[in-house]
Amino acid sequence: DTGVSQNPRHKITKRGQNVTFRCDPISEHNRLYWYRQTLGQGPEFLTYFQNEAQLEKSRLLSDRFSAERPKGSFSTLEIQRTEQGDSAMYLCASTGGSTVNTEAFFGQGTRLTVV
Amino acid sequence: SQELEQSPQSLIVQEGKNLTINCTSSKTLYGLYWYKQKYGEGLIFLMMLQKGGEEKSHEKITAKLDEKKQQSSLHITASQPSHAGIYLCGQGAQKLVFGQGTRLTINP
Repeated sequence: DTGVSQNPRHKITKRGQNVTFRCDPISEHNRLYWYRQTLGQGPEFLTYFQNEAQLEKSRLLSDRFSAERPKGSFSTLEIQRTEQGDSAMYLCASTGGSTVNTEAFFGQGTRLTVV
Repeated sequence: SQELEQSPQSLIVQEGKNLTINCTSSKTLYGLYWYKQKYGEGLIFLMMLQKGGEEKSHEKITAKLDEKKQQSSLHITASQPSHAGIYLCGQGAQKLVFGQGTRLTINP
């Protein structure tokens, strides 16, 4: 499978715990994006990387959220001290090439439930 | 208010009927993407429109871009159960901004 892969698919955690999600983009893609989607809404941008550089972070990304892409390949999104409001689907997408306006390929998402 | 507004928010049609979903932007559209999402899953790319007046088709799905109206429409002809899902429009050069989605249900 050469698509975008996200792990785990589902995560249930207790409030206050830390969680980490992983995204493996399509191998030749240099841009990687994280989005969050709540029920009945479209995905909202969180952050993106070009290779290993984190180029933009949304205001939605509080201090409890951190993302890394250490070698410009896979990325991790960590949420510290989870809150019930963090319950959502976390989606990863990747795009390749130097041109803009190319379609983004999405993973299957990680559904987080904070209880 | 949303940068991209989709209408309707939900749609129930009988199998075999045609339908249209609209996406209106509050800003000038420089490119518009349509994605489909099955419940609880990731997004599947359908089409990208870049030029005013552009129209693209894939199987029974046709999308058009009207830059003057800052609007795009997605039209499905002779709908089938496989068309059911959430349709999302998005725009952006790097990060994408999405509409809230249109949930399509196809009744047999």
